[in-house]
Amino acid sequence: EVQVVESGGGWVQPGRSLRLSCAVSGFTFEDYAMYWVRQAPGKGLEWVSGINWNGGSRAYADSVKGRFLISRDNAKNSLSLQMDSLRPEDTAFYFCARGRGYSYGYIDYWGQGTLVTVSS
Amino acid sequence: ETVMTQSPATLSVSPGESANLSCRASQSVSSSLAWYQQKPRQAPRLLIYGASTRATGVPARFSGSGSGTEFTLTISGLRSEDFAVYHCLQYTQWPSFGPGTKVDLK
Repeated sequence: EVQVVESGGGWVQPGRSLRLSCAVSGFTFEDYAMYWVRQAPGKGLEWVSGINWNGGSRAYADSVKGRFLISRDNAKNSLSLQMDSLRPEDTAFYFCARGRGYSYGYIDYWGQGTLVTVSS
Repeated sequence: ETVMTQSPATLSVSPGESANLSCRASQSVSSSLAWYQQKPRQAPRLLIYGASTRATGVPARFSGSGSGTEFTLTISGLRSEDFAVYHCLQYTQWPSFGPGTKVDLK
């Protein structure tokens, strides 16, 4: 059974940093791209960042470029999102998600999300 | 960057009726289009990928069509459990979502 579990969310002041983690099981992690997707309360889904199967290709939404860094450790079946210089508009549920394929692909599995609140 | 739009923003439907949800891409995404259903306080659920292929376990009342820049999700014979928000996603490059269509009870 495929499992995707996020952790690391919480409350943080503007300008500070937070690191999200995602642990996966039930599939061969290195065969898939991975994504972070966020959803502000009451709003739509926003793709935040993606990484291909070996970490050689990474991409970011314009809204987070230069502030967030995605990484993966295929030996540990884990994905991370380092979020720096956080802003109130970064407040959202953050979902870790599996992309169907080595690079781009539709999302076929989602975690349950972890809430990040940026507020003074 | 491919910008996705969806219409209408809200669709009010009675149980048993059909609903047609539209998704448009700012440039061709071929058939690299997926649809998701999301209920409150839940993660999205994959319904359709490749514009028209139902995901495992998705009822036949959900169907997808289209290619290029215009896509439609049709829900035939709406049931109470179908009232939710529906999102489209293009994945011909790094993904981008549409803003969603809420299907609610008329």
